[in-house]
Order: sequence, then structure tokens, then C-alpha cells
Amino acid sequence: QQKVQQSPESLIVPEGGMASLNCTFSDRNSQYFWWYRQHSGEGPKALMSIFSNGDKKEGRFTAHLNKASLHVSLHIKDSQPSDSALYFCAVSTNTNTGKLTFGDGTVLTVKP
Amino acid sequence: NAGVIQTPRHKVTGKGQEATLWCEPISGHSAVFWYRQTIVQGLEFLTYFRNQAPIDDSGMPKERFSAQMPNQSHSTLKIQSTQPQDSAVYLCASSSEGGNTEVFFGKGTRLTVV
Repeated sequence: QQKVQQSPESLIVPEGGMASLNCTFSDRNSQYFWWYRQHSGEGPKALMSIFSNGDKKEGRFTAHLNKASLHVSLHIKDSQPSDSALYFCAVSTNTNTGKLTFGDGTVLTVKP
Repeated sequence: NAGVIQTPRHKVTGKGQEATLWCEPISGHSAVFWYRQTIVQGLEFLTYFRNQAPIDDSGMPKERFSAQMPNQSHSTLKIQSTQPQDSAVYLCASSSEGGNTEVFFGKGTRLTVV
């Protein structure tokens, strides 16, 4: 059964700083990797996806995937107070469904 | 596009009562998911429908929990004889076909069993 683990549990960065979030997964058949962000009182919202090994950049956000080492990460450059939220790594194994297995999340706080 | 709509947003039930949670997926989405979120367990998959048919209910507690999708515009999650440990935020989500498509979540229903 897929296990997805995230680190750190919580992270505090200064405004303008770099936040780095990590995620490991257990199933080598995993194919689709997502980062979701959840603000208080809201449902999770997809931030970005990565499906191939290497880096993928979208604005201030860069995801990195290394399937061989079962690792995916998210880096947030020039962090803003509005980035403060709960971040989830989510992994899908099945090509036919969007069924996701979530990590426990990282609470990011960006201090002005 | 109003997104995935869940009602009610908050529900308080007495122990032993029944709770029914409602979800309206995004129009045109063929997949509907239910997840449960707690501080201790995090985000747990409960069940999944594709084109209204139940596909995977591997996360559903076998007793007291049931989910249905009578038509393409709504799904329900019913919990019978609610217990305090059922207190959680229940999230409904929908997506188009395919594992590489984004799953869109509703804002959730916070269930409190007293």
C-alpha cells in the first residue's frame, strides 16, 4: 500500500525567503505527483503537478521529481505571507483514475 | 463555474444519530471522490465513483458508512449511528478521466458528533 511521507512537519521562512518542502513515496509504480495547498476553512487546491523526472517551474514554484530515489520536492522562491498554508504532496499510481494518496502535510508560515 | 459544492458546511449531530452529507461535482466531471480529513489521520481516501458507478470503496469503514451517486449532479455520504470518532471534515472532489488530471475539491463539511 502506498505510503507518502512529508517533511518537515512545519516550516517558518521570512518574507522573500526560499521554502523547501520534501516528500517521499513508497510505490515505484507511482506515476503522477501533485502539490496541493490548503488555506484554513478551504478545500485543498492543486498548486502544480510533475510527471517526469527533473525540474518543473511555474512562476515562483519549482517542483523536482526523482523517481529512482522515490522523492519529490517543492521549492517556493520569494515566499510571500499569502503562501502561508498547509501543503500536501499527493501521489497517483493508477493511470485511469485520479485517486490520490496524500502525505500528512507541511505547515508553512511566512513571516513578514 | 462554482466548483465542487458541498452542503452543509457545518453539521452537528448527537451520538447515535444519522448524518447525510451532500456533494455537487463540477459539471462534466466523470469522477467523484470522498475524502475525510482529521488532525490525527490527515487526508484519507474513502470512496470513488466513475460515471456514477462505485469503483473503489476501499477506504470506507465497512459499517455505518455508505455513499451513493444517484445522478451525475450529486453524491451523498451517509453515516448511520454517528460516533464521536466520526467527527472530521469530509471533502468531496471531482475530476475528468485520467490519473494526470487535476482533482478539484469542495470546501468540505465539518461534522461534529457530540
